[in-house]
Amino acid sequence: DAKTTQPTSMDCAEGRAANLPCNHSTISGNEYVYWYRQIHSQGPQYIIHGLKNNETNEMASLIITEDRKSSTLILPHATLRDTAVYYCIVRVAKAAGNKLTFGGGTRVLVKP
Amino acid sequence: DTGVSQDPRHKITKRGQNVTFRCDPISEHNRLYWYRQTLGQGPEFLTYFQNEAQLEKSRLLSDRFSAERPKGSFSTLEIQRTEQGDSAMYLCASSREGGLAGGIDEQYFGPGTRLTVT
Repeated sequence: DAKTTQPTSMDCAEGRAANLPCNHSTISGNEYVYWYRQIHSQGPQYIIHGLKNNETNEMASLIITEDRKSSTLILPHATLRDTAVYYCIVRVAKAAGNKLTFGGGTRVLVKP
Repeated sequence: DTGVSQDPRHKITKRGQNVTFRCDPISEHNRLYWYRQTLGQGPEFLTYFQNEAQLEKSRLLSDRFSAERPKGSFSTLEIQRTEQGDSAMYLCASSREGGLAGGIDEQYFGPGTRLTVT
């Protein structure tokens, strides 16, 4: 699986958009970009995934650059409940063991 | 859908003792995973079941660790002769094969079992 690089931490103002970057310069053509988040004392939670096209769901938007070497997760209107560690993961659809390989993630603090 | 449940939520044990954790996946999910998470780190994959078959084991899963999923329902993770280095959060996740677009799974995680070895 391709390696990802994320900032260690970032702050965001409540009600503003939070833009979380992720670099995955060694991504292969058949690898997807996934985002999970982990709120304190809970297990990780799936947010969104994409291959090439930008994706949007009720939680967030995922913008993938044309060369697919980086992506941005956008939380359109951050709330205090969005304070969490956000993990960007790159892997093929049917990885061995279906495992998710988590890095260190970005610790996001949403401030009032 | 009551989510993935894990029991116990917390376990304190003395070094050298055996411990067993239980995971109950979402009922219609045929895939089950165990991960371990230490403080400040992301979860690390331990093992994966499809139905009752254990299809993948990480090198992290030493011979002191054993996982089972009898009848493809709940799963147990046993650690024998615990060591202080085993102290961690043990997370269980489940998924339905091909549940998302692209034929990939959304893994639903339980709240975890926090193990402290003294």
